Amino acid sequence: DIVMTQSPDSLAVSLGGRATINCKSGQSLLSRSDNSDCLTWYQQKPGQPPKLLIYWASIRDSGVPDRFSASGSGTDFTLTISSVQAEDVAVYYCQQYYSPPYTFGQGTKVEIK
Amino acid sequence: EVQLVESGGGLVQPGGSLRLSCPASKLSLSAYCMHWFRQAPGKGLVWVSNICRGGAVTHYADSVKGRFTISIDNARNTFYLEMNGLKAEDTAFYYCATYGSGKFGPWGQGTSVTVSS
Repeated sequence: DIVMTQSPDSLAVSLGGRATINCKSGQSLLSRSDNSDCLTWYQQKPGQPPKLLIYWASIRDSGVPDRFSASGSGTDFTLTISSVQAEDVAVYYCQQYYSPPYTFGQGTKVEIK
Repeated sequence: EVQLVESGGGLVQPGGSLRLSCPASKLSLSAYCMHWFRQAPGKGLVWVSNICRGGAVTHYADSVKGRFTISIDNARNTFYLEMNGLKAEDTAFYYCATYGSGKFGPWGQGTSVTVSS
């Protein structure tokens, strides 16, 4: 199984501040057939299903504000919220879809300082 | 707008069975891979199972292998998760989701499964 490790577990950011979440996979997620990294990022708010933010490691889903960006390749990935808003308070998860079981990171809780 | 709405959750005794359903509107399931995920109370997301190629390919998490069965009814445009031999540790919110072209979604709102005597 591919182990996904996020850091930090939680972070408190001032409104308008920058939040950076890291995700490390136990093996490369680069798909040769797709020439892309099989990694996605979700935002989950209490009582709601996960919301897709990013797929193929760096492509923002439609409707996702451009303050959310992601980068990385291979085994190391980053999600950045450039200017944190109150509505960004949530838990963020990375997930690999390179091979089953499609494992998640443990989640990073983002709060307002 | 594509919608998935899970149903079939509930309270069941250990060793019991449930069948979760996930019908899709405005989406032909045969063109996608379909997934089930779960989330125990206060815990993280866990992938459970998926089905692709109209049912020809299936995968399961080790924790449910041999107890859960995923299936698809293309005529009803619905996919299912048959859960047998339920254990307390299967207690969770269960979500269905589509996958295509690198994207998981849409997701359903989830259905609650509680395994308790």
